[in-house]
Order: sequence, then C-alpha cells, then structure tokens
Amino acid sequence: SQQGEEDPQALSIQEGENATMNCSYKTSINNLQWYRQNSGRGLVHLILIRSNEREKHSGRLRVTLDTSKKSSSLLITASRAADTASYFCATDVSGYSTLTFGKGTMLLVSP
Amino acid sequence: GAGVSQTPSNKVTEKGKYVELRCDPISGHTALYWYRQSLGQGPEFLIYFQGTGAADDSGLPNDRFFAVRPEGSVSTLKIQRTERGDSAVYLCASSLDRDRPEDTQYFGPGTRLTVL
Repeated sequence: SQQGEEDPQALSIQEGENATMNCSYKTSINNLQWYRQNSGRGLVHLILIRSNEREKHSGRLRVTLDTSKKSSSLLITASRAADTASYFCATDVSGYSTLTFGKGTMLLVSP
Repeated sequence: GAGVSQTPSNKVTEKGKYVELRCDPISGHTALYWYRQSLGQGPEFLIYFQGTGAADDSGLPNDRFFAVRPEGSVSTLKIQRTERGDSAVYLCASSLDRDRPEDTQYFGPGTRLTVL
C-alpha cells in the first residue's frame, strides 16, 4: 500500500526555474526521504529529513517537513534539463523500518 | 565502487511459467531489500533480508513469491506460476546495516518482468 501521495503528478518547467513538489502521508513517521528515478541512473536517494526537523538543504535541494499536516515539500532551485526525472517521497515509520513510497511526481525540465 | 546489480535487465515469460530474478548487492552490505514497481506507481516493499534470513516478508503478495539469500550476499527472487499481474519492474536495494538508524538504501537498475 502507498503511504505518501505526491502532488502534482506531473510538472513541466523551463531550465532555470524552480520546481516544487509536495508529499502527504498518513501515519506518524520517524523520517521522510526523497528519491529521484530516471532511466539512466535508476532510483537514487536525495535527502532525508527527520521528524524533529523542519527544513533541510542539500545543494539546490530544499526539503521542508510539517508533521502537524503530515506533509513535506521538495524544492529544486535553478532547475536543469538533467533534473528531468520522477521524484518520490518515502516514509520510514520507525527509523529502522522498510520504506513506503508514494506514486511520484514526473518533472520535465525543458532547455 | 560497484553498485547494486540485477540480472536479467529484462525478462519476458509466459503465463504459468517459473522465473528467477537475481540481485548482487554492494559488497559488505548486510541488508537487502526487494521492491516491485508497477507502471505509474512508486516501489512497493516485498521482502527484506538481514544477512541470510528474511527478517520481514510481509510485502510478498502470495505464496507464489519466494526469495532466498543463502550466503548473505546474492539474493534470488523466485516467482512460480507467473500471472499477467506480476508484470512490473522488480527492484533490489542494499544497505550497510539495517540496525543503524536511517541507513541509506542503494537501488539497482531493476529487472523488467513481462508476463504474456
């Protein structure tokens, strides 16, 4: 079963623009992770945010977490064509548990 | 170093046949996971190994699915009497040590299974 639900399902932007995608989940979590998937490199871990954190940065990525709303957002700044991929959020209930993925957001960045 | 590898990359079979999918984890990783990803969906957990034993097989959909990891390294996912609904990409992931909190999982490229 899917725990996370990403929004939007698909997003199309121009290079240089920012991309924001959201994830909502249903149960309490220990942490939430974002993954990227494209045909060239498979599924790649991007960033992890713990339940006691509100915001985290990694390069051009910014992740926020609102546990009261059970939601997270992923912001990619100054997007590049190479950012074209599907992005998934995945929740970890205990910190040691298996991941539950959402359905993903397909991002298309046009040159 | 080498990442997680999976073979074959593509497998086409007929309904009712038996298939085996192989996963080679990153060397030294004790935890190994199998996921299944249907078209337009995110990966869904199937089974997790810590060493040689299946620590959690709660995601296996039915008894036609079975996985082994006899020496704590390579794992094989086995599907008996395949059905068209089994068509999906089967992903394998490994991590260093599941007993470490927030241990990052590294995914392989997947095996695309098509059941005709």
